[in-house]
Amino acid sequence: DADVTQTPRNRITKTGKRIMLECSQTKGHDRMYWYRQDPGLGLQLIYYSFDVKDINKGEISDGYSVSRQAQAKFSLSLESAIPNQTALYFCATSDVLGYEQFFGPGTRLTVL
Amino acid sequence: KQEVTQIPAALSVPEGENLVLNCSFTDSAIYNLQWFRQDPGKGLTSLLLIQSSQREQTSGRLNASLDKSSGRSTLYIAASQPGDSATYLCAVNNAGNMLTFGGGTRLMVKP
Repeated sequence: DADVTQTPRNRITKTGKRIMLECSQTKGHDRMYWYRQDPGLGLQLIYYSFDVKDINKGEISDGYSVSRQAQAKFSLSLESAIPNQTALYFCATSDVLGYEQFFGPGTRLTVL
Repeated sequence: KQEVTQIPAALSVPEGENLVLNCSFTDSAIYNLQWFRQDPGKGLTSLLLIQSSQREQTSGRLNASLDKSSGRSTLYIAASQPGDSATYLCAVNNAGNMLTFGGGTRLMVKP
């Protein structure tokens, strides 16, 4: 089984809808991250969490919110989706030392 | 603000060639640097991690070097194979464990 899982893997939605992307991990890591990747570009950090009570904004947090329900679960929400949020979204984890980040398979989100 | 650049953006080579992918970064105060592989529609696979105190790391046919003072890293792939075709991403880890990614190099190895 994969160490970092994301659901759904693909989602098509309409402008104005609320969307939640979920991430779960079995690596026992404290730190979790959400990234966005636009076609042909690298990844940009949206939010990160160093433990259950710690949530921080990344480079591009506007229009997004997150929830850290447990050490193993970190959800990303789009309160009112817009077309320019169409992208590939990745969840990642790292241990407290942060030596290496491990990525989930990604969620492809299309906002029409 | 850290900026990471990867050149070339795309590369096509015949099978068997040795090749070098380049990554440059603007702020040399890094914690470590990671090279990833991304296959279409899939997640990122970590290939090599170089700590700031290290000069290089090797895994099989892959060798990554780091010159922190000049803000450069290279990924060397020996004897390339069609299965190496993918996008290769370089990511710099600054203090606080924030990864800054380059735009990637899209590699095609032709049989």
